[in-house]
Amino acid sequence: AQSVAQPEDQVNVAEGNPLTVKCTYSVSGNPYLFWYVQYPNRGLQFLLKYITGDNLVKGSYGFEAEFNKSQTSFHLKKPSALVSDSALYFCAVRDWGGANNLFFGTGTRLTVIP
Amino acid sequence: KAGVTQTPRYLIKTRGQQVTLSCSPISGHRSVSWYQQTPGQGLQFLFEYFSETQRNKGNFPGRFSGRQFSNSRSEMNVSTLELGDSALYLCASSSGLAGGGTKETQYFGPGTRLLVL
Repeated sequence: AQSVAQPEDQVNVAEGNPLTVKCTYSVSGNPYLFWYVQYPNRGLQFLLKYITGDNLVKGSYGFEAEFNKSQTSFHLKKPSALVSDSALYFCAVRDWGGANNLFFGTGTRLTVIP
Repeated sequence: KAGVTQTPRYLIKTRGQQVTLSCSPISGHRSVSWYQQTPGQGLQFLFEYFSETQRNKGNFPGRFSGRQFSNSRSEMNVSTLELGDSALYLCASSSGLAGGGTKETQYFGPGTRLLVL
């Protein structure tokens, strides 16, 4: 069975500081991992994905994520947070060989404090 | 190219009524998936259509149904609405092949916010 855990409901970070949003996953096969961001009253926007290859994935808006197979984690990071990064972030997983549907974490609300 | 579009954006219905939501995928995309987002349950998968065939279905009652047309546009229908059906309904499209192992990214529409009174 597939599952995704985002252990922090809320993350606060000061503007200019590095940010990390945590995600761990569980799949029976090889994972396809995704990060999406949701701004108020808007749909989900794709940030980045890990399929295979380099464990460090770079995405939109300066975000990156590191795939760690031994820890089954896929944490989202950014070196310097902006106030405009404040949003709801979702980690999602799809199991290789599985159906074309995503399993989402519960989301982490990121607030960047000016 | 144009993104995923959903209509209507907002909808108010009363209990017992039925509702139909529409999703137009990105041009060239053949897969459309539907998700329900609520504060209590988070994001949950409803079903996926590929080439007019339902490929997979989530754990929702039979009141939730859908279909896909030959132009890949998809509709979902909820009959006998309940208060708990109030949610943001998101659709996502991808070009991904039917079956497993797809590496495709799903692109989401803005959603339809349904309020059931």
